[in-house]
Amino acid sequence: AQSVTQPDIHITVSEGASLELRCNYSYGATPYLFWYVQSPGQGLQLLLKYFSGDTLVQGIKGFEAEFKRSQSSFNLRKPSVHWSDAAEYFCAVAPTGTASKLTFGTGTRLQVTL
Amino acid sequence: KAGVTQTPRYLIKTRGQQVTLSCSPISGHRSVSWYQQTPGQGLQFLFEYFSETQRNKGNFPGRFSGRQFSNSRSEMNVSTLELGDSALYLCASSLDYRDYEQFFGPGTRLTVL
Repeated sequence: AQSVTQPDIHITVSEGASLELRCNYSYGATPYLFWYVQSPGQGLQLLLKYFSGDTLVQGIKGFEAEFKRSQSSFNLRKPSVHWSDAAEYFCAVAPTGTASKLTFGTGTRLQVTL
Repeated sequence: KAGVTQTPRYLIKTRGQQVTLSCSPISGHRSVSWYQQTPGQGLQFLFEYFSETQRNKGNFPGRFSGRQFSNSRSEMNVSTLELGDSALYLCASSLDYRDYEQFFGPGTRLTVL
């Protein structure tokens, strides 16, 4: 079965430091990949997506992600974190041929210290 | 363009009752999906509607149902509520069922006492 793994439940970084959130997927073919962010009490906001083509994708709020087929990974990065980036981040995959539109990872909660 | 709206935002019910949640998609979007988010199970797909027809369904009991109207607005219903149904219910819309890019609403927080 297709799955998404976010190995880090909680990450703390200092404001201004770089950030990398990990995401690994298990799927037979190349799925569509997404990163969403959720602030407390809010819905999910799409940060970026990968369907095909250039493996480095740019998103909103200064985020980027790199698709690595050989590692089945789609890690999210930001060169300099701002305090407002504190939130929960979800990696998601949209596999074809299943009933589930989006399969989400368990999320990584990001805390930013000043 | 207005985003996805969900009503109500908060709801408190007791066990055994039923509840109806509403979702209005982004204008022009015809596909609506529902997700349940809980601390224990995370985000789980409930079902998807397109053109008033359920296209996909997740692994939830029959107590969870939904429908979509001709204007693409959608409702989901949970009957005979259980404590475990307490969750944030998120609605997402997309242009159509072939569009994997979904836009989420703020959710309805359901508490079952």
